[in-house]
Parts: sequence; structure tokens; C-alpha cells
Amino acid sequence: DIQMTQSPPSLSASLGDKVTITCQASQNINKYIAWYQQKPGKAPRQLIRYTSTLVSGTPSRFSGSGSGRDYSFSISNVESEDIASYYCLQYDNLPWTFGGGTKLELK
Amino acid sequence: EVQLVETGGGLVRPGSSLKLSCATSGFTFSNTWMNWVRQAPGKGLEWVALIKDKYSNYEANYAESVKGRFTISRDDSKSRVYLQMNTLRDQDTATYYCTRRGYGDYWGQGVMVTVSS
Repeated sequence: DIQMTQSPPSLSASLGDKVTITCQASQNINKYIAWYQQKPGKAPRQLIRYTSTLVSGTPSRFSGSGSGRDYSFSISNVESEDIASYYCLQYDNLPWTFGGGTKLELK
Repeated sequence: EVQLVETGGGLVRPGSSLKLSCATSGFTFSNTWMNWVRQAPGKGLEWVALIKDKYSNYEANYAESVKGRFTISRDDSKSRVYLQMNTLRDQDTATYYCTRRGYGDYWGQGVMVTVSS
């Protein structure tokens, strides 16, 4: 199984900051990574798939990049509505596997 | 509009069974892979099972933690996907989501399953 190591587990940011979350796969996942946002009590919402493709409705301040084993997800100009948990998912090889999550809080 | 609606959750005793259902609409279900993903209270996301479409012979795949106990199935005529859960354990307590496509572009609202004596 592919392990997804997501870091950091938590992140504190001020409004307007740029934040970056990383996911490292235990093997090459050929850019098949998606990123999700989850707010308390809600279902996750996909923001990005295939490393950097923004899902319809995802604000342009969100971005993704990477290749091989190493991937990153960034939010430029953090807004209050971005306070949530974020997860990566590799869907290159079954079983699909999620990263452990990153909780973004306001400083 | 794509919609996924899970039902069938509840409180059950360890060792018992439960069947979840996910009703879908707004897309061509028959050629779409579907997943179940769960989230234990206060924890992260865990992929549970995938069922492929008829073109992939409805192949099913499972997380090791549920293999042999859970069965995913689908009814293309009803645009529904199911998760039959047998021999439930305390550790299966979670919110269960059905998701569309391999990369989970749409999620249902989730259904809570509590396994407790």
C-alpha cells in the first residue's frame, strides 16, 4: 500500500498569509493526487485533482504542484473561510490512501 | 446537479450487521466508479471500498481493515451503491460517505454508524 505522509498536522496562519501543505507518497503516484477541504460537521469538498487541476468553483488562491513522490498544496492570501482541515488522497494505486490531514487555524 | 444521499446508519451491537445505501442522481451512474470512505469521530479520512463500472466487470476493492467483512455492490437500474457491513466492530464506528469516481469529486453528506454494546 502507498503511504501518504502529510505535513504539518496543524498550521496557524494570519489572514492574508500564504500557507503550504505537503504530502509525500511512499512511491511515485504519477501526479494522481487530489486535495480536499473539510469544515467541522461537513463532508469533505474536493478542491484540486491531478496535482494542480482546480475543481470548478475552487478559488484561484488555491494551488497544487508536484511530481513523483512529492506534492504540495498552497493557499495564498488566506481568508477566514479557509479555516478548515485539508487532506490529500492518492488515487494512482489501490487501495487509495489519504494523508493524515492538516488543521488550519487562525493565528 | 450531482447528488449523493446516504442512508441506513444507526447504533448497532458489536458483531451485528448493517447495510448502507447511497442514492445518486444528476449523472450517468452506470459508467461511474463509486467509493465508500469513512471517518471515525475526530479522526482523518479512510478509504473503505471501491466498485468499478460494468465496463470493468464491477470489480470491487477493499481496505484491508474491512476485507472479508464488508461488501460493496451497486444497482445501476436504481443508481444506487450499497455497503453491506457484517461482523461490525467498535473500530467501525464512523461517519460513512459515498463518493463519486476514483478521485472522489462529489461526496454525500455522510451517515453515522455507531458500534457499541
